Amino acid sequence: EVALTQSPGTVSLSPGERATLSCWASQSVSSSYLAWYQQKPGQAPRLLIYGASNRATGIPDRFSGSASGTDFTLTISRVEPEDFAFYYCQHYGDSPLVTFGQGTKVEIK
Amino acid sequence: EVQLVESGGGLVQPGGSLRLSCAASGFTFSSFWMSWVRQAPGKGLEWVANIKQDGSEKYYVDSVKGRFTISRDNAKNSLYLQMNSLRAEDTAVYFCARDRRDITMVRGFVYSSYYYMDVWGRGTTVTVSS
Repeated sequence: EVALTQSPGTVSLSPGERATLSCWASQSVSSSYLAWYQQKPGQAPRLLIYGASNRATGIPDRFSGSASGTDFTLTISRVEPEDFAFYYCQHYGDSPLVTFGQGTKVEIK
Repeated sequence: EVQLVESGGGLVQPGGSLRLSCAASGFTFSSFWMSWVRQAPGKGLEWVANIKQDGSEKYYVDSVKGRFTISRDNAKNSLYLQMNSLRAEDTAVYFCARDRRDITMVRGFVYSSYYYMDVWGRGTTVTVSS
């Protein structure tokens, strides 16, 4: 059973700084099935990245994703005020069929 | 505009039942797998169930197996979640989402495949309490 662990739990940043969010899978998984979502309070999740590194339609290029073995990273090159939110990684395709990480909160420093 | 709108949430006593609905518009509903995902108050996202385009395959997270049933009506562009034997721990916002399974074939072989959820509704709140 695949489990996803995200770190850090919370990261405090100033606008313009770089954000590096990590997601570690408990076993080998295909990067094709790893996605990242952004969620703001009271809103639905929004797809940012699919296939570990492919930006979804309309997502700014300051968001990027990468993979190295069981480690996946979401990077925001320069955090904008609208980027302060929760971020979740997701694996789709194993048992259980869909797994989410516990989330990382990006907050204003 | 591609849209998903959930309804049917509310306050229900432990052991009770509730049926959630999700109305889809702006895309060919019958062409996509669909999922339910929930979020307990102050907690992260938890996938609940999903269903194949024609309803022939359904999958559930262990904690709801035998209690929840996912279904769809392609003629009505609607997704449903029948929730029985509800527990306090089922209290959450329930989102419906469109699953994407993008598979590219080249000469009969899978060249690439991506699985993710690209469209989400705003959610409906279920509260299980006496």
